[in-house]
Amino acid sequence: DAGVIQSPRHEVTEMGQEVTLRCKPISGHNSLFWYRQTMMRGLELLIYFNNNVPIDDSGMPEDRFSAKMPNASFSTLKIQPSEPRDSAVYFCASSLGTGPYEQYFGPGTRLTVT
Amino acid sequence: SQQGEEDPQALSIQEGENATMNCSYKTSINNLQWYRQNSGRGLVHLILIRSNEREKHSGRLRVTLDTSKKSSSLLITASRAADTASYFCATDGSNAGNMLTFGGGTRLMVKP
Repeated sequence: DAGVIQSPRHEVTEMGQEVTLRCKPISGHNSLFWYRQTMMRGLELLIYFNNNVPIDDSGMPEDRFSAKMPNASFSTLKIQPSEPRDSAVYFCASSLGTGPYEQYFGPGTRLTVT
Repeated sequence: SQQGEEDPQALSIQEGENATMNCSYKTSINNLQWYRQNSGRGLVHLILIRSNEREKHSGRLRVTLDTSKKSSSLLITASRAADTASYFCATDGSNAGNMLTFGGGTRLMVKP
């Protein structure tokens, strides 16, 4: 298996632009997680899906952030409009969803908003 | 707020020495996991210990769990330069479903 796939690996955009991050989980995994990592705040859970349904989005910082999972093999995290404080590394992770919930992380997308 | 808090935040040792990292958490858990993150990479699962276990080994890794103190430790024996990375503990609170809460991590540097 190729593991969790994320694209793009790096994204540089200007403030106010829309940014879409993409994730393909490991085949057969039915839980998917989006995290954000910064030096100041560490690793934060933004949202997680189980069987393509959003279960907990309490970590989504504000309405500018939205996430979708239209099918079991694809998810997007969208930021519109983007701001410089959104600059971070965004990770997608997937798990089988049945205990004990070991998570497999993608390589991350490094987002820079200027 | 973070469930797990690692201690120390940073650790520098010589190759061949042992490295010990600690994690404290606040609420009851089902399992506690340790992950490693190399610079610029995603986290990689190292080991999981269940709440009814006290110690677990995997190669050069030894994990202990003390649920009465809500703490865990990760010991890396005979460290190598390749062990240089950040190490995170993660807990799944008993009511958290599939969610994990990660601590702030310990940055380990192993000098050759």
